[in-house]
Amino acid sequence: AQKVTQAQTEISVVEKEDVTLDCVYETRDTTYYLFWYKQPPSGELVFLIRRNSFDEQNEISGRYSWNFQKSTSSFNFTITASQVVDSAVYFCALSEGRSKLSFGAGTTVTVRA
Amino acid sequence: NAGVTQTPKFRILKIGQSMTLQCTQDMNHNYMYWYRQDPGMGLKLIYYSVGAGITDKGEVPNGYNVSRSTTEDFPLRLELAAPSQTSVYFCASSSYLQGTNTGELFFGEGSRLTVL
Repeated sequence: AQKVTQAQTEISVVEKEDVTLDCVYETRDTTYYLFWYKQPPSGELVFLIRRNSFDEQNEISGRYSWNFQKSTSSFNFTITASQVVDSAVYFCALSEGRSKLSFGAGTTVTVRA
Repeated sequence: NAGVTQTPKFRILKIGQSMTLQCTQDMNHNYMYWYRQDPGMGLKLIYYSVGAGITDKGEVPNGYNVSRSTTEDFPLRLELAAPSQTSVYFCASSSYLQGTNTGELFFGEGSRLTVL
């Protein structure tokens, strides 16, 4: 059974538009971690954020913000005022013990100038 | 600041050949992992290790072998390469401290393998 679902395969926006990436996860553990990683066209994986299951506070980092809702098992990611450099594949991931991460299939974001 | 280093970055194999993807990390991390990423897909865990001498299977271990003789190194062996193993392979490491599970994975730059 898929543990992390990113229903949006591709999103295309014009620069300065906001874009929200959805992530829904499935776990029976009470303690777990959620992550977002960015994979730019160059191919490397860049860590963006980690959130533990006991901290439902939303977080903002510059133009990035994350909304964690345990009630709906979602951990959504919003890019505000998108820029061309935000074009990448974004992965949501779930860690259930021993740091093993299960990744979603990814959402490709294309920001057009 | 080397972090996680993978070699080679690119390799073309013929069906039935064998090879080893090398991975080394200099962060003294306990945990190491091998993932594969197929085109348009997320990452799937092949094998992982929680420390020297200990390895375990992930989601897609068939056709691969690993060993962990030192904390630093975690090579991935492909025996009898098949076209289905054409993929980009990522090695990663993370630390795990009792009571403070960071869980953040540090990834290598990836190794692109093509089996023809």
